[in-house]
Amino acid sequence: AIQMTQSPSSLSASVGDRVTITCRASQGIRNDLGWYQQKPGKAPKLLIHAASTLQSGVPSRFSGSGSGTDFTLSISSLQAEDFATYYCLQDYNYPRTFGQGTKVEIK
Amino acid sequence: EVQLVESGGGLVKPGRSLRLSCTASGFTFGDYAITWFRQAPGKGLEWVGFIRSKTYGGTTEYAASVKGRFTMSRDDSRSIAFLQMNSLKTEDTAVYYCTREGPIRGIVVVNFDYWGQGTLVTVSS
Repeated sequence: AIQMTQSPSSLSASVGDRVTITCRASQGIRNDLGWYQQKPGKAPKLLIHAASTLQSGVPSRFSGSGSGTDFTLSISSLQAEDFATYYCLQDYNYPRTFGQGTKVEIK
Repeated sequence: EVQLVESGGGLVKPGRSLRLSCTASGFTFGDYAITWFRQAPGKGLEWVGFIRSKTYGGTTEYAASVKGRFTMSRDDSRSIAFLQMNSLKTEDTAVYYCTREGPIRGIVVVNFDYWGQGTLVTVSS
């Protein structure tokens, strides 16, 4: 199974900060990666698919980049509603595998 | 509007069985594969498995942790997918989510774009 190593596991940031989260795959996965936001008690929400394509309706402050093994999710200016846990997920092959998650907390 | 609604969760004793349903609306259910994920309390997300569309054989793939105990099926006439869970273990305690994925011939599909709200399965004596 492909291992997805996500970092950091948590971070503290202030409204307006730029935030960057990374995921590294244990083997090349082309651009078959999505980023998800999850708030407590809610289902994950797709933010980015195909590594860099913004999902319809998602604010443009979210962006994704990368290909192969290294991927990044950036939030250009953190808003109050962005405090949540973020996961990467590879859909290159089976079993699908997630990163461990990054909890973004208020500083 | 695309919707996926899970149901059937509850409290069950170890070794018993439970069947979850994923009822879909707002899209052509039969065109999509249906994937199940789960999330144990306070933990990360885990892929459980999926069932392909009939176009791609309607076959299934499972995570190693559930293979041989869980079975997925689908009823395209009613737009429902099922997750039959047998020989349940305490470590199967989780919120179970269903979502959709491709491929669909001739169409670019965004995998896992819509999710249900989840249904909680608690395995405890």
